[in-house]
Formats: sequence, structure tokens, C-alpha cells
Amino acid sequence: SAVISQKPSRDICQRGTSLTIQCQVDSQVTMMFWYRQQPGQSLTLIATANQGSEATYESGFVIDKFPISRPNLTFSTLTVSNMSPEDSSIYLCSVDGTGLDEQYFGPGTRLTVT
Amino acid sequence: EDQVTQSPEALRLQEGESSSLNCSYTVSGLRGLFWYRQDPGKGPEFLFTLYSAGEEKEKERLKATLTKKESFLHITAPKPEDSATYLCAVTNTGNQFYFGTGTSLTVIP
Repeated sequence: SAVISQKPSRDICQRGTSLTIQCQVDSQVTMMFWYRQQPGQSLTLIATANQGSEATYESGFVIDKFPISRPNLTFSTLTVSNMSPEDSSIYLCSVDGTGLDEQYFGPGTRLTVT
Repeated sequence: EDQVTQSPEALRLQEGESSSLNCSYTVSGLRGLFWYRQDPGKGPEFLFTLYSAGEEKEKERLKATLTKKESFLHITAPKPEDSATYLCAVTNTGNQFYFGTGTSLTVIP
């Protein structure tokens, strides 16, 4: 399984600002995923990021609000732009395992917007 | 619409008291069903993948089973360190993942 790290682990941000979350993997992976986990709710997929192509966003999520970069096969960033308190959540990155049948998750970034 | 429902939402067990967690799913073309464990403040940790009805997988005190409509995670003689939230997810033939909201398990010494 891959070892995944995220930075920052947590942050408290003011309304209207932006935060960039980094995800680093210890091996090259094809697909990286960004999820949001709000209290008491299931994980919701924000977007899928493949190296060398534009990220694919799920319904309800747009690039202007959640721009994603994927400069190489081991790294990705998610920016939460123009934040509001509703963006307070845990943001998780994950990568595909062998054969796309499994996903391995990073430790998450706990974001609080005041 | 593809979806996953887990029950119960929360479960408290005495140490050694075996029980089962349920994951009911509706999916158009099941590709796989996954169980994860999530500890507070951490990302989900992969446990099992099940692909077809009748399949079973075991790991220590955990055993996952699959039918055409649901999966069970059986916990035998649990210990306090088994306390965590257990998440179920499915993926369909379009490689879309759907997660349940989880069962929060507390094992009391």
C-alpha cells in the first residue's frame, strides 16, 4: 500500500480567504482523488486528478472553487477558494491501489472557517 | 440511484461480545465492495475488498461477507482497540465510489 501525507494537518481560516492543501505519495500513482468528509456524513468525492490532464469534477463541485493541480505522479494540491463556514470539513486525498480496486487515504486536513 | 446504507449508526459492545455491522447497497453493476476502518483524526484504513456474493474475507477478529444486497462485518470477541468507525463503500462498473456514513463502534473493557 502507498504511504500518503497531507499538509497542513489542520488549519483555521477566515472567511473569504483561500487554503491550498498538499498531498504527497511515496510512490508513483496514476489516479489521485480528493474527498470531503463533513461531520456525520459520508465521504464525498470532489474530483479525480490524473497527471497531465485536467481534473474531473463531480456534480456540485467546480474548478473555480476547488482548483486542483497534479504536476507529477506523486503530488497533488487542492485549493479551497473564497472560503465560507460551510467549507469547514475534513479534506482527504486518496490514491488508487492495484487494479483500481482499492483506495488508500491520507490522514486528512481538518479545515475550520470562521 | 447508487447508494450505501450502514447500520447501526453506533454500537457499544462489551469486550468479548461478538456482533455484526451491516452495509446495504444499491448499485448498478457492482464492481467491488470495500470495508475501511477510520480512527478519530485519521484517514480511512483499507480492510477488505469483496467482489461477488458468497465471498468472505478475514483479518484477525474481523470477517466480511457479501450477498447480492448487503455485506456484513462480523467482529468476534472484540477488544477496546477495535473501537473505530467502520466505513463501507461500493464501486460500480463506471469506477464511481459511494461511501456509507459509517458505524461508530465502541468496545468497553
